[in-house]
Amino acid sequence: QVQLLESGGGVVQPGRSLRLSCAASGFSFNTYPMHWVRQAPGKGLEWVAVISYDGSNKYYADSVKGRLTISRDNSKNTLYLQMNSLRAEDTAVYYCARVSFPGDWLSGRFDYWGQGTLVTVSS
Amino acid sequence: EVVMTQSPATLSVSPGERATLSCRASQSVSSNLAWYQQKPGQAPRLLIYGASSRATDIPARFSGSGSGTEFTLTISSLQSEDSAVYYCQQYNNWPPWTFGQGTKVEIK
Repeated sequence: QVQLLESGGGVVQPGRSLRLSCAASGFSFNTYPMHWVRQAPGKGLEWVAVISYDGSNKYYADSVKGRLTISRDNSKNTLYLQMNSLRAEDTAVYYCARVSFPGDWLSGRFDYWGQGTLVTVSS
Repeated sequence: EVVMTQSPATLSVSPGERATLSCRASQSVSSNLAWYQQKPGQAPRLLIYGASSRATDIPARFSGSGSGTEFTLTISSLQSEDSAVYYCQQYNNWPPWTFGQGTKVEIK
């Protein structure tokens, strides 16, 4: 069965860095685009970034552009989110999510989500 | 950016009654609209995609309708386990992929 397991969250000071991981299993990870979505405490869902199946295409939300970087290692079935210059407003649960269809198209419904990892940016 | 607006913010419905949730897009998203259910402490779960297709293992009491800019999620006979926050999301015009602010469904 499809499983997505995030890790790497924690408490970090403003301006510092953190790297999140999302370990995938149960499907051909190297054929699917993947997204990161976050949710601030008590708030709604906010899309963060997407990466194509081969890592050649990436898009970011304006709120994170230049600070957060999405990447993947298909040999390890793992998605990453490198978070630099963190701000208080980056405090959120970060989810990785799979697009429903494999291939080049980055969009579609998000059919599987991980359980999330909490990032708290605080001094 | 396509802005998704959901209404109402909170809906209180008695068990067995019908719940109707609305989602409006600031521009046409065709039928590229999904609905997700999120319970406290859990990840979102896909309910509806393509505006009206139920995802795998979703009960028949959940149905979606609409196209263009106006969409509806209906829970035909509310069960206690349906208490959750429901989000709509458009995946037609991207980036960014955008979500509504959510509708909280409470059991009266």
